[in-house]
Amino acid sequence: NAGVTQTPKFQVLKTGQSMTLQCAQDMNHEYMSWYRQDPGMGLRLIHYSVGAGITDQGEVPNGYNVSRSTTEDFPLRLLSAAPSQTSVYFCASSSHGQGNQPQHFGDGTRLSIL
Amino acid sequence: GNSVTQMEGPVTLSEEAFLTINCTYTATGYPSLFWYVQYPGEGLQLLLKATKADDKGSNKGFEATYRKETTSFHLEKGSVQVSDSAVYFCALPEGGATNKLIFGTGTLLAVQP
Repeated sequence: NAGVTQTPKFQVLKTGQSMTLQCAQDMNHEYMSWYRQDPGMGLRLIHYSVGAGITDQGEVPNGYNVSRSTTEDFPLRLLSAAPSQTSVYFCASSSHGQGNQPQHFGDGTRLSIL
Repeated sequence: GNSVTQMEGPVTLSEEAFLTINCTYTATGYPSLFWYVQYPGEGLQLLLKATKADDKGSNKGFEATYRKETTSFHLEKGSVQVSDSAVYFCALPEGGATNKLIFGTGTLLAVQP
């Protein structure tokens, strides 16, 4: 059982470039989310989705887009990369349960913007 | 809204020492409470959870009790090992109809042999 799979694991971009971070889960979870992790900041929610076709903004959505065309996939797009977006990005999924269900995390994408 | 406060690290212990990582919360109602662990280079994994007051979650020798009176969910382990070195996060749901979690800032634990 693969769980939550994120690709790539590492990426270096130049300022202004765009890219898509991929996230896929094979547990048929309705809820998926993207976080960024920065030193001393814990995890901050970027965007989330409660099901296919439904997305919403989290705490720090600026500079990022998401879509949810299938239950399995939830890609995160950086439209024009900025050095402030250098971070470790985590995708997570859970079954719907109004917060009582644990979230399953991928191993992360380590992104550097030069 | 709901919030969580976690003790800052790093916490450095010798092997076999007793561990406590403090976590307090503010919440409407009695949400589930979680501890997650992040090993170096990996994503977060659920360590344990408690779903109601006075519940004790436990896993891998770690324990945490859901204390309604003190709004706390402190993580404890009687004898830590080098392999326990990781970052530990306390978390609770934001509330409402979504599964959004609010995480503490994380506590780095370093266990020395």
